Amino acid sequence: NAGVTQTPKFQVLKTGQSMTLQCAQDMNHEYMSWYRQDPGMGLRLIHYSVGAGITDQGEVPNGYNVSRSTTEDFPLRLLSAAPSQTSVYFCASADRNTEAFFGQGTRLTVV
Amino acid sequence: QQQVKQSPQSLIVQKGGISIINCAYENTAFDYFPWYQQFPGKGPALLIAIRPDVSEKKEGRFTISFNKSAKQFSLHIMDSQPGDSATYFCAANQYQGGKLIFGQGTELSVKP
Repeated sequence: NAGVTQTPKFQVLKTGQSMTLQCAQDMNHEYMSWYRQDPGMGLRLIHYSVGAGITDQGEVPNGYNVSRSTTEDFPLRLLSAAPSQTSVYFCASADRNTEAFFGQGTRLTVV
Repeated sequence: QQQVKQSPQSLIVQKGGISIINCAYENTAFDYFPWYQQFPGKGPALLIAIRPDVSEKKEGRFTISFNKSAKQFSLHIMDSQPGDSATYFCAANQYQGGKLIFGQGTELSVKP
């Protein structure tokens, strides 16, 4: 049972480039979310989904897009990367009565 | 604004000692309060969680104390071990599977 799988694990982007961080879960969970982790800031919610076709903004959504076409996948898109988006990104999935399970993270550096 | 405030930012404890991490929240609608443990290079993993209808929950060496009137909750790690060295996050939400609001994190170091 893989749980929550994030790819890639590491990525370096140039300012202005776009990319997609992939997240897949095999637990048939309704809820999926993206967080970014920065030193001294904890984890902050970027975007959130309660099911296929339904997404919502979190605390820090600017510069990021998401879509949820299937239950399993929840990709995070950076349209035009900025140095302020240098961070570690975590994807999580959960059901209404379960804990949130996190992936291993993607470490993104924007130069 | 930071809806969940966590302290201290870092903590050094001797092996066998008690580690205490505190959190305070603002939103009285929160009804699920988990603690997550994170090792370097890994994602956070649930350690223990509590709902506000109880004042204390214990699992092994880990205890959550909850004070609803003060809107505060804390994690106590008894007989702290070097293997407990990690970053700990408190969090809160209105329901278990939903959007978690995290504290800033505490980096715990347990010295042998």
